[in-house]
Amino acid sequence: DVKVTQSSRYLVKRTGEKVFLECVQDMDHENMFWYRQDPGLGLRLIYFSYDVKMKEKGDIPEGYSVSREKKERFSLILESASTNQTSMYLCASSRDRALFNYGYTFGSGTRLTVV
Amino acid sequence: GENVEQHPSTLSVQEGDSAVIKCTYSDSASNYFPWYKQELGKGPQLIIDIRSNVGEKKDQRIAVTLNKTAKHFSLHITETQPEDSAVYFCAASPTGGKLQFGAGTQVVVTP
Repeated sequence: DVKVTQSSRYLVKRTGEKVFLECVQDMDHENMFWYRQDPGLGLRLIYFSYDVKMKEKGDIPEGYSVSREKKERFSLILESASTNQTSMYLCASSRDRALFNYGYTFGSGTRLTVV
Repeated sequence: GENVEQHPSTLSVQEGDSAVIKCTYSDSASNYFPWYKQELGKGPQLIIDIRSNVGEKKDQRIAVTLNKTAKHFSLHITETQPEDSAVYFCAASPTGGKLQFGAGTQVVVTP
């Protein structure tokens, strides 16, 4: 069964900490995405990547960075965690975008609480 | 860029009744329209999608319709069951582009 795996379901971190959220997909997908989900705001795109070592800003990149050293792994980094980054974080992947659109496969999410 | 609006934000239906969720999009270049279902504690899961060369698509109790002229598309769930209770997201995308999601609809099916 194809899968997107997020390393943690729940995380509690302190303000100012550097936080790493890891995502791994086993479908050989080219594209990977990080979203945050907050009540009433839907899914907001933080960063995405169409290839290894490539990254592009989404709609809300401030306070975040990403790393994609290998095709299957896409990491989200909170450089200095703040309480307004308390949220559900969702990773997704999809096949190559060049000629066609395909649906995303999502991970189960990481619920991050910053205290 | 693309902007997707989704209505209603919450929807309560009696078991066995139908549920309809509507979305509008702004970018006439969008040609791919998926729908996702998110159950409590899980990530969104693709349940059905439609491309702009098709006006309607059906899969058992769920169907999606697309009106390109009006730039809106809808999800129809017939004979609702308690397991249909979830948050549903619509999305739209132009060729080669990333998905833009609606804000979501919380569907509650009461027995």
